[in-house]
Amino acid sequence: EIVMTQSPATLSVSPGERATLSCWASQSVSSKLAWYQLKPGQAPRLLIYGTSTRATGIPARFSGSGSGTEFTLTISSLQSEDSAVYYCQQYKEWPRTFGPGTRVEVK
Amino acid sequence: EVQLVESGGGLVQPGGSLRLSCAASGFTFSNYWMNWARHTPGKGLEWLANIKQDGSQSYYVDSVKGRFTIFRDNAKNSLYLQMNSLRVEDTAVYYCARDLPGISASAPWGQGTLVTVTS
Repeated sequence: EIVMTQSPATLSVSPGERATLSCWASQSVSSKLAWYQLKPGQAPRLLIYGTSTRATGIPARFSGSGSGTEFTLTISSLQSEDSAVYYCQQYKEWPRTFGPGTRVEVK
Repeated sequence: EVQLVESGGGLVQPGGSLRLSCAASGFTFSNYWMNWARHTPGKGLEWLANIKQDGSQSYYVDSVKGRFTIFRDNAKNSLYLQMNSLRVEDTAVYYCARDLPGISASAPWGQGTLVTVTS
């Protein structure tokens, strides 16, 4: 099973500032990496798939990059509604596996 | 509007069974791979199982293999998860999710249904 790790565990950023979230895979997942946003009481929301493709309706301030084993989600100008936990997930191999999540707090 | 609505969660004793349902609407259900996943505050998100469009293939994570069964009824636009031999550690919010066409990333997800396993 591919193990995913994320850093930092918690990120506190002021509105309008940039947030950078990191994700690593224990082995190469090529570009088969997705990012999800989870807010309390809401359905998880797909933000990015294929490492860098924004899902339908996702604002341009969300961007993804990386390849192989190292990936990054960047929120270019943090908004208050971006407070959430963000999970990376590989889908190169079954079982699909998630990272432990990064909690983003808006100061 | 594409929508997924889970139901069937509740309180169950260890060793018990529960069947979750997911009602799909707003898209041609039979054209998509479908999934079940769960979330706990301590462990985060965990993928559980998925099933092919016609139900002919399904895959499970080891932690539920042999205890949970995913199946679907395309005539009813519904996805199911039969959960047997439930354990305390199965306590979680359970979500159904639709795969993107040809891509094993999922959107949308349902709002989830809470399963609590306790004596």
